Amino acid sequence: DADVTQTPRNRITKTGKRIMLECSQTKGHDRMYWYRQDPGLGLRLIYYSFDVKDINKGEISDGYSVSRQAQAKFSLSLESAIPNQTALYFCATSVGRGGTQYFGPGTRLTVL
Amino acid sequence: QQQVKQSPQSLIVQKGGIPIINCAYENTAFDYFPWYQQFPGKGPALLIAIRPDVSEKKEGRFTISFNKSAKQFSLHIMDSQPGDSATYFCAASMNFGNEKLTFGTGTRLTIIP
Repeated sequence: DADVTQTPRNRITKTGKRIMLECSQTKGHDRMYWYRQDPGLGLRLIYYSFDVKDINKGEISDGYSVSRQAQAKFSLSLESAIPNQTALYFCATSVGRGGTQYFGPGTRLTVL
Repeated sequence: QQQVKQSPQSLIVQKGGIPIINCAYENTAFDYFPWYQQFPGKGPALLIAIRPDVSEKKEGRFTISFNKSAKQFSLHIMDSQPGDSATYFCAASMNFGNEKLTFGTGTRLTIIP
């Protein structure tokens, strides 16, 4: 897990605030992903990036945006947070075709 | 729309028993089926994966059984231990894992001594 780090680990914010969650990896992987985890819903893909210039929407991208600043960094932004974005957010990385996805430790976000 | 359906939602098994977690999928283009294990406070980690050219894969005490015609696959844990208590997610992907993963809803497994 130390190869994929997420900051912050916990965040409480208010409705309407802009929030950025950051992910960094030292694995040298080219692919990075953002998921959210909700009880009873499993993991759902928000955005994914196969390289710095290739960013794609996932299953639930509405209300989120991302930035791939470098191969090692992938940030997720909530432009105007709302309470139903309260969830556990995970970043993951993988390399090449069919590579195993390695997950970070997660960020618990609460929107009041 | 849940493309990968997982059951049960929770499971309690006595130590030494064989918990079985089931998943079913609709998309016949899926050709890579991994299972992830998640401990509290941690991110999911790959446990074992299978491709549809085989019906069973074993790694240690963990076995995936795959039924292509029924579009179902399951995870069996032999000689289960309290340390196996975790949440388990099945997933599916196309193009031999090259495409994005679609996850099931998760099973919270508790192994009691």
